Amino acid sequence: GENVEQHPSTLSVQEGDSAVIKCTYSDSASNYFPWYKQELGKGPQLIIDIRSNVGEKKDQRIAVTLNKTAKHFSLHITETQPEDSAVYFCAARPPFGNEKLTFGTGTRLTIIP
Amino acid sequence: DTAVSQTPKYLVTQMGNDKSIKCEQNLGHDTMYWYKQDSKKFLKIMFSYNNKELIINETVPNRFSPKSPDKAHLNLHINSLELGDSAVYFCASSQDPSLGREFFGPGTRLTVL
Repeated sequence: GENVEQHPSTLSVQEGDSAVIKCTYSDSASNYFPWYKQELGKGPQLIIDIRSNVGEKKDQRIAVTLNKTAKHFSLHITETQPEDSAVYFCAARPPFGNEKLTFGTGTRLTIIP
Repeated sequence: DTAVSQTPKYLVTQMGNDKSIKCEQNLGHDTMYWYKQDSKKFLKIMFSYNNKELIINETVPNRFSPKSPDKAHLNLHINSLELGDSAVYFCASSQDPSLGREFFGPGTRLTVL
């Protein structure tokens, strides 16, 4: 089955700086890669996703890049703000019928004012 | 206008008891899921239902039994609760498992004493 590794487990950045979180996956057939943000006491919230037919996707201050050859994808947050502080999860999923999302172990991002 | 809702938000109970968690989605999605998030924040799927039919059943003790009365509801019943069942349980839904976009509920924190 799919295995997703996520780094770093914790990340602290100064407000206004950029943050990058990286994930690698094992199943070369995986074709869907979402990123979730989980704030304290809340459920994971989908913030951006990418499919394997594109290499990059951007939505305002967040972007995701995908390298299918190397089997890794990254989340980039620019101009970080205090409200970006949360736990971020990457995930991957193969395309077949009833395959599941496999999540990374999470990155706790802290924005220092 | 809550998309995916769960009740209760907190559940504290004694070992050996039986309890249920309810989930409802008003997104018109065909697929619903139960996830378990342990104390280290690791998210793992337990079950998935598509149009009331069980399609994913991970290695979960048979003390856990999902029930889907209709495609908008997926409840989780747990028999003979054990200390190790303490976790946060999330319900999620998606339009179609092959499209991948899953939306999570706010979670139910279960504490077994």
